[in-house]
Amino acid sequence: ILNVEQSPQSLHVQEGDSTNFTCSFPSSNFYALHWYRWETAKSPEALFVMTLNGDEKKKGRISATLNTKEGYSYLYIKGSQPEDSATYLCAFTGANNLFFGTGTRLTVIP
Amino acid sequence: DAMVIQNPRYQVTQFGKPVTLSCSQTLNHNVMYWYQQKSSQAPKLLFHYYDKDFNNEADTPDNFQSRRPNTSFCFLDIRSPGLGDAAMYLCATSKDFGGLEQFFGPGTRLTVL
Repeated sequence: ILNVEQSPQSLHVQEGDSTNFTCSFPSSNFYALHWYRWETAKSPEALFVMTLNGDEKKKGRISATLNTKEGYSYLYIKGSQPEDSATYLCAFTGANNLFFGTGTRLTVIP
Repeated sequence: DAMVIQNPRYQVTQFGKPVTLSCSQTLNHNVMYWYQQKSSQAPKLLFHYYDKDFNNEADTPDNFQSRRPNTSFCFLDIRSPGLGDAAMYLCATSKDFGGLEQFFGPGTRLTVL
């Protein structure tokens, strides 16, 4: 079992604020790092799959960076909106299976 | 739209009464996964199928079984649910192995009375 840690566990921000969260993972046997957004009563939805050290990916106001040497990834949300409220899960894969963190629960207050 | 569907969304069962959760996909993906997520914990892989090849995680209890009768459907059978089996059960698919994006269903919330 691989240890994937996310922080903070939960976060409340005001609409319009920018925010970021952290995912740390084992730096050995790295294959890919996934970020998922999971809104209440919906399916978890993939945001990014990142494989290369130094990767930066962006989707609208959301972006992510990856450092495989030190074993961490950051997810950034610029100008948070109420519809960004969700749990953000990261998952590490060394080969075939995903090992998830416990998630960061984001609440954006209008 | 191609998707992963789980039924039912909410399932209530009694202690010891067998229950089956179902998952179907229209993506024609080779791999199907079952995850268990207990409150405030990370989703944990129970098992997966690559086509008809079944792979059970080492720490998945014997109480949990799975069937994949065809590409589209996969079932999770809990033979004798205990109170500790109350959780969200997520089904996911991927086109292949190798760390590819997984596509998830909305989950089934299981309550054991």
